[in-house]
Amino acid sequence: SQKIEQNSEALNIQEGKTATLTCNYTNYSPAYLQWYRQDPGRGPVFLLLIRENEKEKRKERLKVTFDTTLKQSLFHITASQPADSATYLCALKASGGSYIPTFGRGTSLIVHP
Amino acid sequence: EAQVTQNPRYLITVTGKKLTVTCSQNMNHEYMSWYRQDPGLGLRQIYYSMNVEVTDKGDVPEGYKVSRKEKRNFPLILESPSPNQTSLYFCASRAGSSSYNEQFFGPGTRLTVL
Repeated sequence: SQKIEQNSEALNIQEGKTATLTCNYTNYSPAYLQWYRQDPGRGPVFLLLIRENEKEKRKERLKVTFDTTLKQSLFHITASQPADSATYLCALKASGGSYIPTFGRGTSLIVHP
Repeated sequence: EAQVTQNPRYLITVTGKKLTVTCSQNMNHEYMSWYRQDPGLGLRQIYYSMNVEVTDKGDVPEGYKVSRKEKRNFPLILESPSPNQTSLYFCASRAGSSSYNEQFFGPGTRLTVL
């Protein structure tokens, strides 16, 4: 069956370090993968999209990589700040098939001052 | 300000009492959808609409109805709510027909069915 997996355990890091979050998938032929940020009690906010033929995307302090061989996307936040503390969701859209991307359950990031 | 709005934000109701959660977007987006979010299960899509009068089921449509009579509005209807529909609901919209475009989410509606 198709699965999108994100680490359910919270990631705790110190301010200034690089945070790395993982999104693994199985039994998908991906078209693209998106990353969203969600704060408690609020709707997700889109951050980045990476296509299946792209290896890396950057936006300010954010970097996303996509390895279709490993079936994995990594989401990096460099020089992390307490304000980066949130839950980060990945959403994967399969090529063909459903029109809709499927969301992972998210990983909570906590940046300590 | 470009946004997706939902009402109400919080609702406590009883089993079987019909309710409607409204969703409106001011970005002239063609595509709109409803999700529910439950602990440990993540975001799951209920229904979506590609344009006015065009709706389709998502992953968990049972117990829900939608309509899309106007481009800006996409209400979610629970004809006979049950406790297993207690959840956090999000409406989202997206421009155009390309799924590559980002989705904009509303602030959420926390529904409790007693």
